[in-house]
Amino acid sequence: GDSVTQMEGPVTLSEEAFLTINCTYTATGYPSLFWYVQYPGEGLQLLLKATKADDKGSNKGFEATYRKETISFHLEKGSVQVSDSAVYFCALSDRDFGFGNVLHCGSGTQVIVLP
Amino acid sequence: GAVVSQHPSWVICKSGTSVKIECRSLDFQATTMFWYRQFPKQSLMLMATSNEGSKATYEQGVEKDKFLINHASLTLSTLTVTSAHPEDSSFYICSARDSDGGARETQYFGPGTRLLVL
Repeated sequence: GDSVTQMEGPVTLSEEAFLTINCTYTATGYPSLFWYVQYPGEGLQLLLKATKADDKGSNKGFEATYRKETISFHLEKGSVQVSDSAVYFCALSDRDFGFGNVLHCGSGTQVIVLP
Repeated sequence: GAVVSQHPSWVICKSGTSVKIECRSLDFQATTMFWYRQFPKQSLMLMATSNEGSKATYEQGVEKDKFLINHASLTLSTLTVTSAHPEDSSFYICSARDSDGGARETQYFGPGTRLLVL
């Protein structure tokens, strides 16, 4: 069935460093791909999404490109801040909007940004 | 007719994850929304009543720190299952009450969100 695999954490880096979190997926159809973020003490929040191949999702300086040829949706940010410390989840949905969508979560990657 | 949506429909996540479920009234305003939980082969169990702009009212036995409810606008209520564990796996359904008042105070149910915690 559909699934998501993302790199294990924690990932520890210094402020202003470049961040990459790898995510690959397995899907039978043409899913939408998401990155969710969970800040300490809060629930999952949608960070960005891409609904079709070659789409690039972006938000808060984060970017991820839906690459069908490499079945990947890696998350990147050029210069992280301490406030980016959180757990990041890669997720897959077999539909983008409305009813009937199934969200498969990756295992989460904790990112720790040191000042 | 009035439509209530929930997002997502399914959530499959690892134990320890906190998951947020959204409930939206699409074509009407709802000052009151309700969150229910349904275990297999059982009836709906009311968890809490969510009032726009104020704290939710929880039913007896429902942990308010475990199930955080926020009703920030007249069309949106969110339920966050904090640090979900396998025993939280269930079908979560919201309903919204049309705040037009009088004979139109009917509850409209969302399609539900099935949470599976591994």
